[in-house]
Amino acid sequence: AQKVTQAQTEISVVEKEDVTLDCVYETRDTTYYLFWYKQPPSGELVFLIRRNSFDEQNEISGRYSWNFQKSTSSFNFTITASQVVDSAVYFCALSEAWNRDDKIIFGKGTRLHILP
Amino acid sequence: EAGVTQSPTHLIKTRGQQATLRCSPISGHTSVYWYQQALGLGLQFLLWYDEGEERNRGNFPPRFSGRQFPNYSSELNVNALELEDSALYLCASSLYDQGPWDGYTFGSGTRLTVV
Repeated sequence: AQKVTQAQTEISVVEKEDVTLDCVYETRDTTYYLFWYKQPPSGELVFLIRRNSFDEQNEISGRYSWNFQKSTSSFNFTITASQVVDSAVYFCALSEAWNRDDKIIFGKGTRLHILP
Repeated sequence: EAGVTQSPTHLIKTRGQQATLRCSPISGHTSVYWYQQALGLGLQFLLWYDEGEERNRGNFPPRFSGRQFPNYSSELNVNALELEDSALYLCASSLYDQGPWDGYTFGSGTRLTVV
């Protein structure tokens, strides 16, 4: 069955510290897509990254980096030198590619507090 | 380009009443998705509409329903409101042939409070 687990419900770190948000997924398919979204206090989910199951190369975008490991079914997200503006709820998500009628499944989210 | 717009921003209803939430997708997007974000439960998939038809439905009772209009905007109706229906309802849109693979574009949501 399709499932996304974000074990960390809430994390607090002091500004400028690095922080890693964990994401573990379950899927029956060999072709799938993983996503991270950010939800600031305004409520709108902001797309951060998409990764397909055939591309295990890690990605870096400024202070953000993602570590995709199929062997452990994990897609972790690291923020380096965190800033107060990074405070938000972060969602990891998964979709299976074998059926167009499928939809994106989200984890329960991790609320990140960056303390000044 | 306008993003996904939802109205109203906030809605307060009494238990047993009906609520209607509205969503306008990004221009050119034909697929509209509805998710419920209740406290502690993450985003739960509700409904997916494309070209005016319901294409998929999440594990919600029939009192959650909706429709999609010819201009691709959508309504979500919740009948016989219960206290546990209080949540943020998020709408998202995508092109049909990109949907679950490219990711969705979300609106800011409608905060429904049932009292």
